[in-house]
Amino acid sequence: GNSVTQMEGPVTLSEEAFLTINCTYTATGYPSLFWYVQYPGEGLQLLLKATKADDKGSNKGFEATYRKETTSFHLEKGSVQVSDSAVYFCALSGTYKYIFGTGTRLKVLA
Amino acid sequence: GAGVSQSPSNKVTEKGKDVELRCDPISGHTALYWYRQRLGQGLEFLIYFQGNSAPDKSGLPSDRFSAERTGESVSTLTIQRTQQEDSAVYLCASSPGTGGLDTQYFGPGTRLTVL
Repeated sequence: GNSVTQMEGPVTLSEEAFLTINCTYTATGYPSLFWYVQYPGEGLQLLLKATKADDKGSNKGFEATYRKETTSFHLEKGSVQVSDSAVYFCALSGTYKYIFGTGTRLKVLA
Repeated sequence: GAGVSQSPSNKVTEKGKDVELRCDPISGHTALYWYRQRLGQGLEFLIYFQGNSAPDKSGLPSDRFSAERTGESVSTLTIQRTQQEDSAVYLCASSPGTGGLDTQYFGPGTRLTVL
């Protein structure tokens, strides 16, 4: 069945550091891929998405590229800020329901 | 416009009691989903509605869990005879359609604590 694996956290970085959060998936067919973010005390928000191979999703300085050959959708940001501290979830969409990874907590220190 | 809303935001109950959790989806969204998020874990799919029918109930953990939806509007998730392992955040999401391209929009969740 479909599944998502993302790197375990927590990830602790200094402000302006480079961020990578790894996400790999197993799926039949051609799912859409998503990154959601959950800020402290808030609900899940869509961060970015990609709907087909080689698509790059981007938002708020974050990027992720849908790599079919490596079945990956790694999240990157060139320079993180304290305000990026949150839990990040990778997800894939099959016909309707989402399959989520377990989440990666990011803490950015000033 | 208004997003997905859920009520209550927090619910504390005693083991064995029944609870009802409510979700108001974004107006016009035909699809509605319930997920459960246990502490420190990812989201588990519970049930999906297309309109007021539920084609997939495969994620409901036991027969103590049930859900209904009125038309393309409000949904209620009911947990009967609650157990401590039911403690979690229950998230509702809605989307305009049900294809893989449709983004799901999440509510803030209901935090359920079973004592």
